[in-house]
Amino acid sequence: EAEVAQSPRYKITEKSQAVAFWCDPISGHATLYWYRQILGQGPELLVQFQDESVVDDSQLPKDRFSAERLKGVDSTLKIQPAELGDSAMYLCASSLGPGRTYEQYFGPGTRLTVT
Amino acid sequence: DQQVKQNSPSLSVQEGRISILNCDYTNSMFDYFLWYKKYPAEGPTFLISISSIKDKNEDGRFTVFLNKSAKHLSLHIVPSQPGDSAVYFCLGGTGNQFYFGTGTSLTVIP
Repeated sequence: EAEVAQSPRYKITEKSQAVAFWCDPISGHATLYWYRQILGQGPELLVQFQDESVVDDSQLPKDRFSAERLKGVDSTLKIQPAELGDSAMYLCASSLGPGRTYEQYFGPGTRLTVT
Repeated sequence: DQQVKQNSPSLSVQEGRISILNCDYTNSMFDYFLWYKKYPAEGPTFLISISSIKDKNEDGRFTVFLNKSAKHLSLHIVPSQPGDSAVYFCLGGTGNQFYFGTGTSLTVIP
């Protein structure tokens, strides 16, 4: 069964350092999402791609976060510099298309701890 | 602004009984809703969805009910099984705008 792959699964970094997460969506899925989930809360959408284009990045803290999906397949989310408040689970999801019609398939997530 | 709310952080149910998880939303423009289940150390997995043109959708032991006038939806699991123990998130949205609730942790007691 096809899955969304994410790496690393766990990352510990010191504040002010740079950190990057990688996501490989299910083959053929045009839409890719990055979420941040803080313990006890629901996933918060950071950025949504349709192929290689950003559809929505209104919740992405652009002063320190960046995301790219250069060839419309895999994607990287970067934080530079990391802050203590960035400690969270970072989830990647993909779907056949955007919005209402298609369910999202999630990867296992990257647990980030900033010390 | 929390557009989708799950007011019960946790719920415990005996095996074989019904589990009812609730979700409220504020945006009357939402026209699709989904439920996801999440086990520890895994990403959420899709469970069941419902469009705003329906008031009920059933899939095996899982049924979602939608009350548009009350802006409320609920997930019923009958009968509940220990493997159903997980965190359940509801999602409401319209077009490309969607929001997850804060989740309800369900424990099914054998």
